[in-house]
Amino acid sequence: SAVISQKPSRDICQRGTSLTIQCQVDSQVTMMFWYRQQPGQSLTLIATANQGSEATYESGFVIDKFPISRPNLTFSTLTVSNMSPEDSSIYLCSVDLEGASGEQFFGPGTRLTVL
Amino acid sequence: GEDVEQSLFLSVREGDSSVINCTYTDSSSTYLYWYKQEPGAGLQLLTYIFSNMDMKQDQRLTVLLNKKDKHLSLRIADTQTGDSAIYFCAQRGNQGGKLIFGQGTELSVKP
Repeated sequence: SAVISQKPSRDICQRGTSLTIQCQVDSQVTMMFWYRQQPGQSLTLIATANQGSEATYESGFVIDKFPISRPNLTFSTLTVSNMSPEDSSIYLCSVDLEGASGEQFFGPGTRLTVL
Repeated sequence: GEDVEQSLFLSVREGDSSVINCTYTDSSSTYLYWYKQEPGAGLQLLTYIFSNMDMKQDQRLTVLLNKKDKHLSLRIADTQTGDSAIYFCAQRGNQGGKLIFGQGTELSVKP
């Protein structure tokens, strides 16, 4: 398995500001993903972040709003820019383990509230 | 398009078996997953099954996959109060690692 940590675990932010969420993995992984879970909802993929290439965004998500960095094989950041109350969600990173096991593990999530 | 459906609620008595069902539409799914989310917590990978398998058993958990009907189920034997949580079914296509999640089934276990 993989041990994944996220910082911060939660935050309360003012509208119009930005927050950067960090995701750290205890092993090198090629594929990392960022998901959003809106209150009482399921998870939706924001983007795929592979090291050495630009992030690939899903329909409805854009780089200007959710810039992502992937500087190495164990770390990634997601920034939520120019926040509004609609951005209040849990943001989770996940990783695929190398090889063909198929397992995908999630971090504990960052609970964001925008006032 | 890709879609995953689950019933929203299930209530069982402690000691009974729970069966959580899931249907999906993407016939190219490679893996199907069950995740558990307790209140205020992240997602815990419970188990997963490769699409060429029919069944997988892991202690109290049994996963059944009917690929023809695109139906996945999770059976929890001897359900305990600690099993109360939201259970998410997810499918993975054959391109990249994107997971498509169902809405989640809230399992309530009564003593």
